[in-house]
Amino acid sequence: QQQVKQSPQSLIVQKGGISIINCAYENTAFDYFPWYQQFPGKGPALLIAIRPDVSEKKEGRFTISFNKSAKQFSLHIMDSQPGDSATYFCAASSSGAGSYQLTFGKGTKLSVIP
Amino acid sequence: DADVTQTPRNRITKTGKRIMLECSQTKGHDRMYWYRQDPGLGLRLIYYSFDVKDINKGEISDGYSVSRQAQAKFSLSLESAIPNQTALYFCATSDIYGTSGSPSSYNEQFFGPGTRLTVL
Repeated sequence: QQQVKQSPQSLIVQKGGISIINCAYENTAFDYFPWYQQFPGKGPALLIAIRPDVSEKKEGRFTISFNKSAKQFSLHIMDSQPGDSATYFCAASSSGAGSYQLTFGKGTKLSVIP
Repeated sequence: DADVTQTPRNRITKTGKRIMLECSQTKGHDRMYWYRQDPGLGLRLIYYSFDVKDINKGEISDGYSVSRQAQAKFSLSLESAIPNQTALYFCATSDIYGTSGSPSSYNEQFFGPGTRLTVL
């Protein structure tokens, strides 16, 4: 059972454009939603995260939009650069009942072309 | 992240062999995790440990075992490797306490560089 559905699987964006990656979740107990960025040959690294008490969080060119009623959240990358080319994973976790595990989406491979 | 190291980085083995992947961290974190990454399937949790006396199965623990030898060391073993276990394996760590000083789930996980395992 996939608890976090991520789309698209791959994305090609022109330099300077906006990259948008979407995730949907099923478990209403999830209360932490991070995005991880992975470059080839490296482990994933935290990019930005949000809790459900806010609808948007922005850090530089990266923004998470969160829709609690729709159980969806998305990553927007403004002014996309070739250096942003990587695989992006959304994730979710729940603090209830001692559960601190991250459930990851399947990932989106982003290619930003000059 | 240089604070989380994994050995070996690459390993090719044969079906039926016993394999151990090792993870060490200098972050002083209590929580450690083993994940498996397959193309198109994302990251899936194999085992996790909240301290040296606490080991828990993750989503896909069948065929794997772990050992938490110390706070800083967490090993993953494949007792009898099969081709289906060919994948990229990541170790990760996280701190038990958030910025408030109390246990928190809102904690960043720090990943090692990964071990690419091929089972022939």
